[in-house]
Amino acid sequence: SAVISQKPSRDICQRGTSLTIQCQVDSQVTMMFWYRQQPGQSLTLIATANQGSEATYESGFVIDKFPISRPNLTFSTLTVSNMSPEDSSIYLCSGSGTVITEAFFGQGTRLTVV
Amino acid sequence: AQSVTQLGSHVSVSEGALVLLRCNYSSSVPPYLFWYVQYPNQGLQLLLKYTSAATLVKGINGFEAEFKKSETSFHLTKPSAHMSDAAEYFCAVSFNAGGTSYGKLTFGQGTILTVHP
Repeated sequence: SAVISQKPSRDICQRGTSLTIQCQVDSQVTMMFWYRQQPGQSLTLIATANQGSEATYESGFVIDKFPISRPNLTFSTLTVSNMSPEDSSIYLCSGSGTVITEAFFGQGTRLTVV
Repeated sequence: AQSVTQLGSHVSVSEGALVLLRCNYSSSVPPYLFWYVQYPNQGLQLLLKYTSAATLVKGINGFEAEFKKSETSFHLTKPSAHMSDAAEYFCAVSFNAGGTSYGKLTFGQGTILTVHP
């Protein structure tokens, strides 16, 4: 398995501002994903981060709100734009390999928007 | 489309008792199934996975799960609960679509396990 480092681990932000979350993997992975975990709820997939091209977003999530970059096989960022209190959640990145294997997760970023 | 249903958002057991966390899935293709655990203020840790090999899967920390296709279930069990097992547990499903869906998970709602002394 690989180790995923995610930062910041938590932040408190003002509404209307943006926050960029970074995800660094200690080895190359084929796939990287971003999830949101709203308070008391399960994880919902936001998008698949594609290396060198636009991310693939799930229904209900749009690039203008959650721009994602993945410049190489070990690094990705998620930006939460023009934040509102409804964006207060835990955001997690995950990665998986080239064969049938599990996805491993970062520690998450706990975001509070005030 | 695939989905996962975890029966029981909260389960409470006594230390030393059997742990049973229920998970049922729906998938139009053969699924890959996973159980993850999330401790407070932490990310997700894989407990075990089913990827079409043995139907009884053993994981870390004494947990195991049995894939039952006829019941579309993948329940998680542990013979004897320990206080350190208190956490939230998530069942998740994925499937192989030409190698592009590895790790793209659909999660159940989660089950919070409480262990009493």
